[in-house]
Amino acid sequence: AQSVTQLDSQVPVFEEAPVELRCNYSSSVSVYLFWYVQYPNQGLQLLLKYLSGSTLVESINGFEAEFNKSQTSFHLRKPSVHISDTAEYFCAVSNTGGFKTIFGAGTRLFVKA
Amino acid sequence: GAGVSQSPSNKVTEKGKDVELRCDPISGHTALYWYRQRLGQGLEFLIYFQGNSAPDKSGLPSDRFSAERTGESVSTLTIQRTQQEDSAVYLCASSFGESALLYYGYTFGSGTRLTVV
Repeated sequence: AQSVTQLDSQVPVFEEAPVELRCNYSSSVSVYLFWYVQYPNQGLQLLLKYLSGSTLVESINGFEAEFNKSQTSFHLRKPSVHISDTAEYFCAVSNTGGFKTIFGAGTRLFVKA
Repeated sequence: GAGVSQSPSNKVTEKGKDVELRCDPISGHTALYWYRQRLGQGLEFLIYFQGNSAPDKSGLPSDRFSAERTGESVSTLTIQRTQQEDSAVYLCASSFGESALLYYGYTFGSGTRLTVV
């Protein structure tokens, strides 16, 4: 069975500081990995994904995540956060054969001025 | 519609009553998914529809839970004889299909917050 662990439930950080949101997964098969973001009063939306190829993937708003197979991790990073990045971030994994996606419990990122 | 619409947005019900949650997916999306998020926990897969058939019902927690979908349109999730442990946010999502899901992700609704008192 697959599972996803997000090690931090809340991460407070000052504006313009770097941030890392941690995600570890367990799976016995090849996986696809995702980060979703939920801004206040909005639905979850896809932020970035790893399907194959380069292990470093980026989003259009400056976030990046690196797939590390040996450590079964897919941590999300941003070198300098903005107030507008305040949201809840969900790491997710699905196997390569189906629609079912397993989500982590989420990490709430608070960016303070 | 422009997005996935769920109703009601909030529902408070007494233990033992039945509730019906509705999801209106994006027009043209053939796949529809129901997830549940209990407080402090991750999203829990409940059921997935491809068209009006449900290839995977493995996440439904008990026989009190059922779901149906009319064609490639509206879906309803019904919980009979609600219990306090059913309190959660119920999320619906849709997508064009598996390939689209991988590249564009789910499109989620804003959810229905169910509170069983």
